[in-house]
Amino acid sequence: GIQVEQSPPDLILQEGANSTLRCNFSDSVNNLQWFHQNPWGQLINLFYIPSGTKQNGRLSATTVATERYSLLYISSSQTTDSGVYFCAVEGGGFKTIFGAGTRLFVKA
Amino acid sequence: KAGVTQTPRYLIKTRGQQVTLSCSPISGHRSVSWYQQTPGQGLQFLFEYFSETQRNKGNFPGRFSGRQFSNSRSEMNVSTLELGDSALYLCASSLWPDVSYNEQFFGPGTRLTVL
Repeated sequence: GIQVEQSPPDLILQEGANSTLRCNFSDSVNNLQWFHQNPWGQLINLFYIPSGTKQNGRLSATTVATERYSLLYISSSQTTDSGVYFCAVEGGGFKTIFGAGTRLFVKA
Repeated sequence: KAGVTQTPRYLIKTRGQQVTLSCSPISGHRSVSWYQQTPGQGLQFLFEYFSETQRNKGNFPGRFSGRQFSNSRSEMNVSTLELGDSALYLCASSLWPDVSYNEQFFGPGTRLTVL
């Protein structure tokens, strides 16, 4: 099945800093989503982005499907951005596979 | 529009018992998927339902089962609970196949503790 790797596994930022989170996947995908999991466990949709580039406020994402990776950019980070960021892909088997996540801590 | 709802939010059971978790999808969503999240294994796909039929299943033992009702609400059942079943169980719904893409929206989860 598809392998999904996220990097870095952990990230500590000072408030106001920018960051780039990466998601590599081992095969072509039908769907790709980015989520933010808050401390209470809720998965919050950030982007549905199987290809191309999208922006939503301080966050943007780019997926290069032909090269099998996606990037999530966080600009001017805030303490409320802390949490775990997951990339999830759906491949030919129609099963959704999650990466292990990037744990982000933003210091005030 | 209300989001995905899951009940109960917290549950404590003992080994050997069985448990049923419930999920109500976003209104209009007919696909429902279930996931298990543990610190060791991360987020793992359990199964997906559409139109009361299981469309796909992850690599879990037969103790894990689910079903979907005609109103798209779904339940999952775990029988003969083991300590390792302690986890956050997440439900997601999507508009697929009424649209061509499968963007999933998650509920708040049910945190199951097995003692």
